[in-house]
Amino acid sequence: GAGVSQSPRYKVAKRGQDVALRCDPISGHVSLFWYQQALGQGPEFLTYFQNEAQLDKSGLPSDRFFAERPEGSVSTLKIQRTQQEDSAVYLCASSRGGDEQFFGPGTRLTVL
Amino acid sequence: AQSVSQHNHHVILSEAASLELGCNYSYGGTVNLFWYVQYPGQHLQLLLKYFSGDPLVKGIKGFEAEFIKSKFSFNLRKPSVQWSDTAEYFCAVNSLSSGSARQLTFGSGTQLTVLP
Repeated sequence: GAGVSQSPRYKVAKRGQDVALRCDPISGHVSLFWYQQALGQGPEFLTYFQNEAQLDKSGLPSDRFFAERPEGSVSTLKIQRTQQEDSAVYLCASSRGGDEQFFGPGTRLTVL
Repeated sequence: AQSVSQHNHHVILSEAASLELGCNYSYGGTVNLFWYVQYPGQHLQLLLKYFSGDPLVKGIKGFEAEFIKSKFSFNLRKPSVQWSDTAEYFCAVNSLSSGSARQLTFGSGTQLTVLP
């Protein structure tokens, strides 16, 4: 497609449920980033892939967060045993070389 | 660790007024600088970027920004705002240090409201 797509756009989960968020980057972009944006804040880095390799996961807030990109294109961010503090917009961005990043529309996660 | 400060959280202007949004960053090395805009209900879009060269960069929709290295600043300007500029504006930096993932560090954003 023409841009980065993410699904679902909205997700409501009960506390303790597992969720999976999907990102389809721009075709040919080797770099893929996940960010978390809390209400009223700027996006914060979670993790980075170059092709299928996860090169930086320093921003993942806990071991309940897990990301993968097995074939170097689509990526999934998984959150296990969701907590209320996980409520946020999760943004995916892709880049050809890691400088200019193109963002998707985000997934708004609400944990009740 | 690098950080970005946007001191104006909410700016309200009338149409045709001039705009300047402040952005300061803290990082001792070489960085790339960006302004992103998020219109209501839309995703983040790149407004302009500075990598190197002329410190005055021009972006889309009449926006410009000036990189002042000595002040660690990258302020966004527009001489005459329009109602359609109502949006949230984010300043961001990434590091050019070796081995860096080039992830962006964002400021907390400035909500601009332009009154017709």
